[in-house]
Amino acid sequence: AQKITQTQPGMFVQEKEAVTLDCTYDTSDPSYGLFWYKQPSSGEMIFLIYQGSYDQQNATEGRYSLNFQKARKSANLVISASQLGDSAMYFCAMREGLTGNQFYFGTGTSLTVIP
Amino acid sequence: DARVTQTPRHKVTEMGQEVTMRCQPILGHNTVFWYRQTMMQGLELLAYFRNRAPLDDSGMPKDRFSAEMPDATLATLKIQPSEPRDSAVYFCASGTGTGVSPLHFGNGTRLTVT
Repeated sequence: AQKITQTQPGMFVQEKEAVTLDCTYDTSDPSYGLFWYKQPSSGEMIFLIYQGSYDQQNATEGRYSLNFQKARKSANLVISASQLGDSAMYFCAMREGLTGNQFYFGTGTSLTVIP
Repeated sequence: DARVTQTPRHKVTEMGQEVTMRCQPILGHNTVFWYRQTMMQGLELLAYFRNRAPLDDSGMPKDRFSAEMPDATLATLKIQPSEPRDSAVYFCASGTGTGVSPLHFGNGTRLTVT
C-alpha cells in the first residue's frame, strides 16, 4: 500500500480564494510526522508546515494550515487567500517513528492560481 | 539561514562518463538523504545515512551508483558509468534524525546524460 496518497494531480484556484490539497497516509506506527513541501518552477523544495501525530491542534503557518483528521488518516493542506506565487507543485510527506529514519513522499499536486 | 549546499547545479555529460555530485548538509544534521526526481517517477529515494552510516540504499542501482559520507560535512553520490536514463534532478536533503523534524533540501543537481 502507498504510504502517502495525493489524488489530485492538478488543481486550479482563483486568486484570493482558498484551496485544499488532499493527502491521505497509511501507517500503523502511533508516532509519526506529516509534512508539506512546495516546489515552484525554479525547482527547490521548500518546507511549509508540520503536524505531529500527537498534536491536538491543527498546525498553522501564516496562510497555510493543515487539516489533520487522524481517524481518517488525512492531512490536507489549506492555503488561504491564494496568491499567484502559490502556483507550484505541492508534496505531502510522512516520517514514521521516534527515530524518523524514513521519509515517504506523495506524487504531488500541481496548483495553478488564476488571476 | 543554514542551507544544504549541492554542487554542481547543472551537469551535462556523455554516456559512459563518471559523474560525482556533492552535498554539504546543514551543520548539526545527522541524517542525509539522496533523492532523484523525474517527471515519470516523481521523487525516488536512492539512499540515506544516519551519523554517516548508510542505513538504506535499496533504491540505488548498485552496479553503477554509489553513495558515501567521507565526513560529517560531505556526502557524495557517484554514477559510473552514466547512462541517458540517469538524466534527472538529484536532491540531497538533511535533517536532525528525529521524527518531528523536517528534511531540508538542497537546490538539486540537474544531470543530463547524452
